[in-house]
Amino acid sequence: AQTVTQSQPEMSVQEAETVTLSCTYDTSENNYYLFWYKQPPSRQMILVIRQEAYKQQNATENRFSVNFQKAAKSFSLKISDSQLGDTAMYFCAFSGAGGTSYGKLTFGQGTILTVHP
Amino acid sequence: KAGVTQTPRYLIKTRGQQVTLSCSPISGHRSVSWYQQTPGQGLQFLFEYFSETQRNKGNFPGRFSGRQFSNSRSEMNVSTLELGDSALYLCASSPLQAMNTGELFFGEGSRLTVL
Repeated sequence: AQTVTQSQPEMSVQEAETVTLSCTYDTSENNYYLFWYKQPPSRQMILVIRQEAYKQQNATENRFSVNFQKAAKSFSLKISDSQLGDTAMYFCAFSGAGGTSYGKLTFGQGTILTVHP
Repeated sequence: KAGVTQTPRYLIKTRGQQVTLSCSPISGHRSVSWYQQTPGQGLQFLFEYFSETQRNKGNFPGRFSGRQFSNSRSEMNVSTLELGDSALYLCASSPLQAMNTGELFFGEGSRLTVL
């Protein structure tokens, strides 16, 4: 079974600064997908960024980038130029690529990020 | 395109009752998944449906069930409610069929309180 661990329950950052959220995972699969989802207060969860395990290049989406270390099973999220709208709970998630993983994401416990003006 | 729609958004039930939650996926999405979110256990996968068939199931008791209709809309049912069933129930849809890349589109959730 896969596990996802986020060791930072809460983090805070000043507006315009950079913050890194940590995530480690454990799996015996070789092909899989990793995600960071954002859940703003009382709003729906949305995908921030996605990484395919077979791709060595780290994914980037505007101010969001990841540091994917496959051997270390580490998948951190870096948010540059933090904005007030980035305040949310961030979840790291794992999905296997096989049929037994249909619709199933394994989530970490989440990190509450607060961006201060 | 409309997003994933869940109804009702909030509901209160008492122990022993049953509840049905509804989810309408994004148009064209044929896969629907359900998750339970609680402060203690976090986000846990309940089940996934595609073309009216349950393809995947999490580790929940048989009191939790679901179904999917021919228009891809899905319902989940919890019978004999327990206090521990109080949670935010999230529905998510995916456009993918044979390939699984894991990307899901979530609704805002149905918040169930069991008294």
